[in-house]
Amino acid sequence: TQLLEQSPQFLSIQEGENLTVYCNSSSVFSSLQWYRQEPGEGPVLLVTVVTGGEVKKLKRLTFQFGDARKDSSLHITAAQPGDTGLYLCAGAGAGGTSYGKLTFGQGTILTVHP
Amino acid sequence: NAGVTQTPKFRVLKTGQSMTLLCAQDMNHEYMYWYRQDPGMGLRLIHYSVGEGTTAKGEVPDGYNVSRLKKQNFLLGLESAAPSQTSVYFCASSFIPGTGGDHYGYTFGSGTRLTVV
Repeated sequence: TQLLEQSPQFLSIQEGENLTVYCNSSSVFSSLQWYRQEPGEGPVLLVTVVTGGEVKKLKRLTFQFGDARKDSSLHITAAQPGDTGLYLCAGAGAGGTSYGKLTFGQGTILTVHP
Repeated sequence: NAGVTQTPKFRVLKTGQSMTLLCAQDMNHEYMYWYRQDPGMGLRLIHYSVGEGTTAKGEVPDGYNVSRLKKQNFLLGLESAAPSQTSVYFCASSFIPGTGGDHYGYTFGSGTRLTVV
């Protein structure tokens, strides 16, 4: 069974601060995805990283995939109240019966105060 | 584009009752999934389907059954509801891994909040 450990579980910060969310596993993934979920809605895909060491930027959000494709991080610069939500990382199985199936981390609840 | 539509959005069941959750997608996705989301436990896969007429067990399949009679629909059934099945249920769909431009990206519905009393 592939497990993804996401940290921290809760994050409460002031507007303008920077933050990083981590996603770690002992398993290798073919790709790593980050989702954002708002209350009462389903998760929405933010980004997919595929290559070890890959870095993708989405405005103030920077996503990195570890060299060994076992871990990832999400960094938000100058957080805004609109960034508030649940952030989920998800790893896609690299082969066998887990191929293509996503394993989700427990999620990070981010609250950005004005 | 509707994406993934789930019905109903809310439901309260008594222990032992049965119900079916409906999921429909209009993106011609091959793969469909049912997840449950509980506080502190992330999303856990219940059942999934890799195509019309096929289903497979996920991580937590006990107490649930599914059917995929049409490519666009994926039904989740609870035959005899238990309080432990109180949760938020999400349906998702995706292209076949490796073929979609978004590399396995899932599209989720907005969820069904189920309470079993």
